Amino acid sequence: AQSVTQLDSHVSVSEGTPVLLRCNYSSSYSPSLFWYVQHPNKGLQLLLKYTSAATLVKGINGFEAEFKKSETSFHLTKPSAHMSDAAEYFCVVSYSGGYQKVTFGTGTKLQVIP
Amino acid sequence: EAGVTQFPSHSVIEKGQTVTLRCDPISGHDNLYWYRRVMGKEIKFLLHFVKESKQDESGMPNNRFLAERTGGTYSTLKVQPAELEDSGVYFCASSQDRAGFPSYNEQFFGPGTRLTVL
Repeated sequence: AQSVTQLDSHVSVSEGTPVLLRCNYSSSYSPSLFWYVQHPNKGLQLLLKYTSAATLVKGINGFEAEFKKSETSFHLTKPSAHMSDAAEYFCVVSYSGGYQKVTFGTGTKLQVIP
Repeated sequence: EAGVTQFPSHSVIEKGQTVTLRCDPISGHDNLYWYRRVMGKEIKFLLHFVKESKQDESGMPNNRFLAERTGGTYSTLKVQPAELEDSGVYFCASSQDRAGFPSYNEQFFGPGTRLTVL
């Protein structure tokens, strides 16, 4: 079984300050982990993915995430928030034991204050 | 290259009516997925096609939902008859089949269809 917990449903930051969106996972197998972003009226876009290579993963738009097996975490960070980062972010876990059966977190809405 | 497209973008129907959602995956993608997000809840898997075959339909909520992918190209998801609890956003995604590493394959998502059942 696998599950994903996004610890914050809403996060609010000021423009130019760091962003931290938290994600903890549970998986019986070696997981693949993803962060997706959804802007209003748009589809889900892949930000980055971890697939058992480097534990620090860099994604698009300056985002990165670190896979920490000991903490079962895959938190998403960005050094400096931009207004265009305001969106909803989803942490997703997929296990290698099957055909991409993915489990989504409940999402974190990021608000960026000017 | 066109992304995953979904039609319609919004649908408002009355309880008991029928609605058909359509998804056009990225050309060449054998894998096609349907997901649903009910308001306030997480996005949940409904089913997975590999070409025209249903690989996994364990997430389909009940027999009022019927998904097809004739010819292995576009897919339809029909809800008949619709109930109030079917309201939500229905997402479609597609991915390539990279042999040996299926879980690494990025899924490309469409913008979703927002279904409202009154």
